[in-house]
Amino acid sequence: SQTIHQWPATLVQPVGSPLSLECTVEGTSNPNLYWYRQAAGRGLQLLFYSVGIGQISSEVPQNLSASRPQDRQFILSSKKLLLSDSGFYLCAWSGEAGTYEQYFGPGTRLTVT
Amino acid sequence: AQSVAQPEDQVNVAEGNPLTVKCTYSVSGNPYLFWYVQYPNRGLQFLLKYITGDNLVKGSYGFEAEFNKSQTSFHLKKPSALVSDSALYFCAVRDENDYKLSFGAGTTVTVRA
Repeated sequence: SQTIHQWPATLVQPVGSPLSLECTVEGTSNPNLYWYRQAAGRGLQLLFYSVGIGQISSEVPQNLSASRPQDRQFILSSKKLLLSDSGFYLCAWSGEAGTYEQYFGPGTRLTVT
Repeated sequence: AQSVAQPEDQVNVAEGNPLTVKCTYSVSGNPYLFWYVQYPNRGLQFLLKYITGDNLVKGSYGFEAEFNKSQTSFHLKKPSALVSDSALYFCAVRDENDYKLSFGAGTTVTVRA
């Protein structure tokens, strides 16, 4: 079966510091991968998605970036965090043959102080 | 363009009573529709989907949803709610030719004992 991991689970970082969040998927190959941000426990905002290694599409211009160095690894980064980057970051995958839904990881709670 | 509306921020029901969470959608092509549930500080869990076929689809934990093309709706239902159903529920849609999901703002369900 497929599983998706995210780490760290929680993170407190000062303004201006760098960021690296990691997401890995097990049990499938060539998945579509997604990064979302959820603010204040409500709606989800799609930040980035990837259909293959090195292929990244950005949905919202901001100081975040994403990379996909391996087939089942998706990384969210920032060189300098802003207060507005605080939120709950969720990674998801899709693309298993015969399915249409996305499956989400447990999330990372980021607080920028 | 695709979008989802969840007209109720909050739904309150007594345990044992029927539960309905409303969702309407807009897509340019044929819709693929999904419901997810989120418990506090957790990732989203997939409940059910409509892709094609029967308008009434059944999912996890006794939930079901009815696809209504003429009303562009996909309401989530449960005949007898449990206290443990208290959570945040998201409706999502994508066009059959896309793989990006659009999420509603979410509906908080509270089931009182």
